[in-house]
Amino acid sequence: QVQLQQWGAGLLRPSETLSLTCEVYSGSFSGYYWSWIRQPPGKGPEWIGEISHSGSANYNPSVDSRVAISIDTSNNLFFLSLSSVTAADSAVYFCARGKFNMRHAFDIWGQGTLVTVSS
Amino acid sequence: DIVMTQSPLSLPVTPGEPASISCRSSQSLLHSNGYTYLDWYLQKPGQSPQLLIYWGFNRASGVPDRFSGSGSGTDFTLKISRVEADDVGVYYCMQARQTPFTFGPGTKVDF
Repeated sequence: QVQLQQWGAGLLRPSETLSLTCEVYSGSFSGYYWSWIRQPPGKGPEWIGEISHSGSANYNPSVDSRVAISIDTSNNLFFLSLSSVTAADSAVYFCARGKFNMRHAFDIWGQGTLVTVSS
Repeated sequence: DIVMTQSPLSLPVTPGEPASISCRSSQSLLHSNGYTYLDWYLQKPGQSPQLLIYWGFNRASGVPDRFSGSGSGTDFTLKISRVEADDVGVYYCMQARQTPFTFGPGTKVDF
Protein backbone atom coordinates (compact mmCIF):
# COMPACT_ATOMS: atom_id res chain seq x y z
CA GLN A 1 0.00 0.00 0.00
CA VAL A 2 1.41 3.35 -1.07
CA GLN A 3 2.14 5.83 1.70
CA LEU A 4 3.51 9.35 1.76
CA GLN A 5 5.70 10.34 4.69
CA GLN A 6 6.61 14.00 4.97
CA TRP A 7 8.95 15.99 7.14
CA GLY A 8 10.56 19.41 7.53
CA ALA A 9 11.10 22.31 9.90
CA GLY A 10 7.98 23.36 11.76
CA LEU A 11 9.03 26.77 13.08
CA LEU A 12 10.45 29.48 10.85
CA ARG A 13 11.22 33.14 11.23
CA PRO A 14 9.97 35.68 8.69
CA SER A 15 12.13 35.84 5.53
CA GLU A 16 13.44 32.27 5.99
CA THR A 17 12.90 29.46 3.51
CA LEU A 18 10.41 26.67 4.12
CA SER A 19 11.72 23.26 3.06
CA LEU A 20 9.65 20.09 3.16
CA THR A 21 10.32 16.58 1.90
CA CYS A 22 7.82 13.89 1.00
CA GLU A 23 8.87 10.26 0.61
CA VAL A 24 6.88 7.77 -1.41
CA TYR A 25 6.75 4.32 0.19
CA SER A 26 5.78 1.19 -1.70
CA GLY A 27 4.99 3.00 -4.90
CA SER A 28 6.28 4.24 -8.22
CA PHE A 29 6.82 7.79 -9.38
CA SER A 30 6.17 6.97 -12.99
CA GLY A 31 2.75 7.95 -14.32
CA TYR A 32 1.79 10.17 -11.40
CA TYR A 33 1.61 13.84 -10.53
CA TRP A 34 2.74 14.94 -7.08
CA SER A 35 1.27 17.99 -5.39
CA TRP A 36 1.77 20.16 -2.37
CA ILE A 37 -1.32 21.59 -0.67
CA ARG A 38 -1.52 23.80 2.40
CA GLN A 39 -4.27 24.58 4.85
CA PRO A 40 -4.15 27.61 7.15
CA PRO A 41 -5.66 26.99 10.59
CA GLY A 42 -9.43 26.87 10.37
CA LYS A 43 -9.49 27.44 6.61
CA GLY A 44 -9.90 25.44 3.45
CA PRO A 45 -7.00 23.89 1.54
CA GLU A 46 -4.95 25.80 -1.03
CA TRP A 47 -3.16 24.03 -3.87
CA ILE A 48 0.46 25.21 -4.02
CA GLY A 49 1.71 23.34 -7.04
CA GLU A 50 2.57 20.03 -8.67
CA ILE A 51 5.34 18.14 -10.35
CA SER A 52 5.11 15.31 -12.84
CA HIS A 53 7.18 12.15 -12.73
CA SER A 54 9.30 13.66 -15.49
CA GLY A 55 10.01 16.77 -13.45
CA SER A 56 7.66 19.30 -15.08
CA ALA A 57 6.26 21.66 -12.44
CA ASN A 58 3.27 23.99 -12.23
CA TYR A 59 2.68 26.51 -9.48
CA ASN A 60 -0.10 28.58 -8.00
CA PRO A 61 0.46 32.20 -9.07
CA SER A 62 -0.16 33.23 -5.46
CA VAL A 63 3.28 31.81 -4.55
CA ASP A 64 4.86 31.45 -8.00
CA SER A 65 7.73 33.84 -7.41
CA ARG A 66 8.77 32.10 -4.18
CA VAL A 67 8.10 28.40 -4.72
CA ALA A 68 9.97 25.49 -6.20
CA ILE A 69 8.92 21.84 -6.33
CA SER A 70 11.46 19.22 -7.31
CA ILE A 71 11.78 15.44 -7.36
CA ASP A 72 14.43 12.78 -6.78
CA THR A 73 13.05 9.70 -8.47
CA SER A 74 16.06 7.60 -7.49
CA ASN A 75 15.14 7.94 -3.84
CA ASN A 76 11.34 8.29 -4.23
CA LEU A 77 11.35 11.82 -2.85
CA PHE A 78 9.80 15.12 -3.82
CA PHE A 79 10.37 18.48 -2.26
CA LEU A 80 8.80 21.86 -1.55
CA SER A 81 10.77 25.04 -1.13
CA LEU A 82 9.07 28.35 -0.31
CA SER A 83 11.27 31.36 0.19
CA SER A 84 10.79 34.63 2.06
CA VAL A 85 8.06 33.26 4.29
CA THR A 86 5.74 35.49 6.28
CA ALA A 87 3.08 34.81 8.90
CA ALA A 88 0.60 34.34 6.04
CA ASP A 89 2.49 31.14 5.10
CA SER A 90 1.69 29.54 8.46
CA ALA A 91 -0.35 26.43 7.70
CA VAL A 92 -0.45 22.67 7.70
CA TYR A 93 1.33 21.54 4.55
CA PHE A 94 0.36 18.28 2.84
CA CYS A 95 1.96 16.32 0.06
CA ALA A 96 -0.44 14.36 -2.12
CA ARG A 97 -0.57 12.09 -5.16
CA GLY A 98 -2.99 12.36 -8.05
CA LYS A 99 -4.51 9.16 -9.36
CA PHE A 100 -2.61 7.43 -12.15
CA ASN A 101 -2.22 9.70 -15.17
CA MET A 102 -4.34 12.37 -13.46
CA ARG A 103 -3.23 15.70 -12.09
CA HIS A 104 -6.05 15.77 -9.59
CA ALA A 105 -8.09 13.22 -7.61
CA PHE A 106 -5.58 13.17 -4.77
CA ASP A 107 -5.97 9.64 -3.48
CA ILE A 108 -2.89 9.43 -1.24
CA TRP A 109 -1.94 12.14 1.24
CA GLY A 110 0.90 12.71 3.63
CA GLN A 111 0.18 13.15 7.31
CA GLY A 112 0.66 16.91 7.17
CA THR A 113 3.32 19.18 8.64
CA LEU A 114 2.40 22.21 10.72
CA VAL A 115 4.57 25.15 9.75
CA THR A 116 4.49 28.25 11.92
CA VAL A 117 6.16 31.48 10.88
CA SER A 118 6.84 33.74 13.82
CA SER A 119 9.49 36.14 14.95
CA ASP B 1 -8.89 31.70 -10.76
CA ILE B 2 -12.05 29.62 -10.65
CA VAL B 3 -13.97 30.41 -7.48
CA MET B 4 -15.72 27.56 -5.71
CA THR B 5 -18.64 28.10 -3.37
CA GLN B 6 -20.48 25.59 -1.20
CA SER B 7 -23.77 25.50 0.66
CA PRO B 8 -24.57 25.09 3.37
CA LEU B 9 -21.39 25.85 5.28
CA SER B 10 -22.71 23.94 8.26
CA LEU B 11 -24.98 20.90 8.03
CA PRO B 12 -26.45 19.27 11.12
CA VAL B 13 -27.34 15.68 10.28
CA THR B 14 -29.25 12.80 11.80
CA PRO B 15 -27.88 9.25 11.65
CA GLY B 16 -29.72 7.21 9.05
CA GLU B 17 -31.10 10.27 7.28
CA PRO B 18 -29.93 11.59 3.89
CA ALA B 19 -27.74 14.65 3.48
CA SER B 20 -26.84 16.83 0.52
CA ILE B 21 -24.13 19.41 -0.14
CA SER B 22 -24.09 21.84 -3.03
CA CYS B 23 -21.00 23.12 -4.82
CA ARG B 24 -20.89 25.80 -7.49
CA SER B 25 -18.02 26.96 -9.68
CA SER B 26 -17.54 30.38 -11.28
CA GLN B 27 -16.75 28.72 -14.63
CA SER B 28 -17.79 25.49 -16.26
CA LEU B 29 -15.72 22.50 -15.20
CA LEU B 30 -16.55 20.56 -18.35
CA HIS B 31 -13.53 20.04 -20.57
CA SER B 32 -13.68 19.52 -24.32
CA ASN B 33 -12.52 15.95 -23.65
CA GLY B 34 -15.91 15.27 -22.04
CA TYR B 35 -14.63 15.01 -18.50
CA THR B 36 -15.83 17.23 -15.67
CA TYR B 37 -12.96 18.20 -13.42
CA LEU B 38 -14.64 18.21 -10.01
CA ASP B 39 -13.49 16.28 -6.94
CA TRP B 40 -15.01 15.85 -3.50
CA TYR B 41 -12.94 15.32 -0.35
CA LEU B 42 -13.78 14.63 3.27
CA GLN B 43 -11.49 15.83 6.02
CA LYS B 44 -12.24 14.06 9.28
CA PRO B 45 -11.17 15.80 12.49
CA GLY B 46 -7.40 15.79 12.89
CA GLN B 47 -6.81 13.93 9.61
CA SER B 48 -5.62 14.62 6.10
CA PRO B 49 -8.35 15.02 3.49
CA GLN B 50 -9.48 11.83 1.76
CA LEU B 51 -10.76 11.51 -1.79
CA LEU B 52 -14.42 10.62 -2.13
CA ILE B 53 -15.42 11.47 -5.69
CA TYR B 54 -13.59 12.46 -8.89
CA TRP B 55 -14.80 13.40 -12.38
CA GLY B 56 -17.86 14.70 -10.54
CA PHE B 57 -19.40 11.27 -10.01
CA ASN B 58 -16.75 8.51 -9.81
CA ARG B 59 -16.41 7.05 -6.32
CA ALA B 60 -12.84 6.55 -5.20
CA SER B 61 -11.66 3.11 -4.17
CA GLY B 62 -13.10 2.03 -0.84
CA VAL B 63 -15.72 4.78 -0.66
CA PRO B 64 -19.11 3.42 0.43
CA ASP B 65 -21.87 3.53 -2.15
CA ARG B 66 -23.98 5.71 0.14
CA PHE B 67 -21.88 8.58 -1.24
CA SER B 68 -22.79 9.84 -4.70
CA GLY B 69 -21.78 12.81 -6.81
CA SER B 70 -23.80 14.46 -9.53
CA GLY B 71 -24.06 17.65 -11.52
CA SER B 72 -22.58 19.28 -14.56
CA GLY B 73 -21.15 22.52 -15.82
CA THR B 74 -21.08 24.76 -12.78
CA ASP B 75 -23.48 23.08 -10.33
CA PHE B 76 -22.67 19.94 -8.41
CA THR B 77 -24.08 17.95 -5.52
CA LEU B 78 -22.68 15.42 -3.08
CA LYS B 79 -25.31 13.19 -1.53
CA ILE B 80 -25.10 10.80 1.38
CA SER B 81 -28.02 8.41 1.23
CA ARG B 82 -27.92 7.47 4.93
CA VAL B 83 -25.55 9.34 7.19
CA GLU B 84 -23.40 7.31 9.54
CA ALA B 85 -21.37 8.40 12.56
CA ASP B 86 -18.12 8.04 10.60
CA ASP B 87 -19.24 10.65 8.06
CA VAL B 88 -18.69 13.67 10.30
CA GLY B 89 -16.10 16.16 9.16
CA VAL B 90 -15.62 18.90 6.61
CA TYR B 91 -16.47 18.24 2.98
CA TYR B 92 -14.65 20.15 0.25
CA CYS B 93 -15.23 20.33 -3.47
CA MET B 94 -12.24 21.10 -5.65
CA GLN B 95 -11.99 22.07 -9.30
CA ALA B 96 -9.18 20.79 -11.47
CA ARG B 97 -10.40 22.26 -14.77
CA GLN B 98 -7.57 24.76 -14.74
CA THR B 99 -4.66 25.69 -12.56
CA PRO B 100 -4.50 26.83 -9.89
CA PHE B 101 -6.75 24.07 -8.61
CA THR B 102 -9.11 25.66 -6.10
CA PHE B 103 -11.16 24.33 -3.21
CA GLY B 104 -14.51 25.39 -1.85
CA PRO B 105 -14.78 26.84 1.66
CA GLY B 106 -15.97 23.53 3.08
CA THR B 107 -19.19 22.22 4.59
CA LYS B 108 -18.97 21.05 8.18
CA VAL B 109 -21.16 18.01 8.75
CA ASP B 110 -21.91 17.12 12.34
CA PHE B 111 -24.64 15.60 14.47
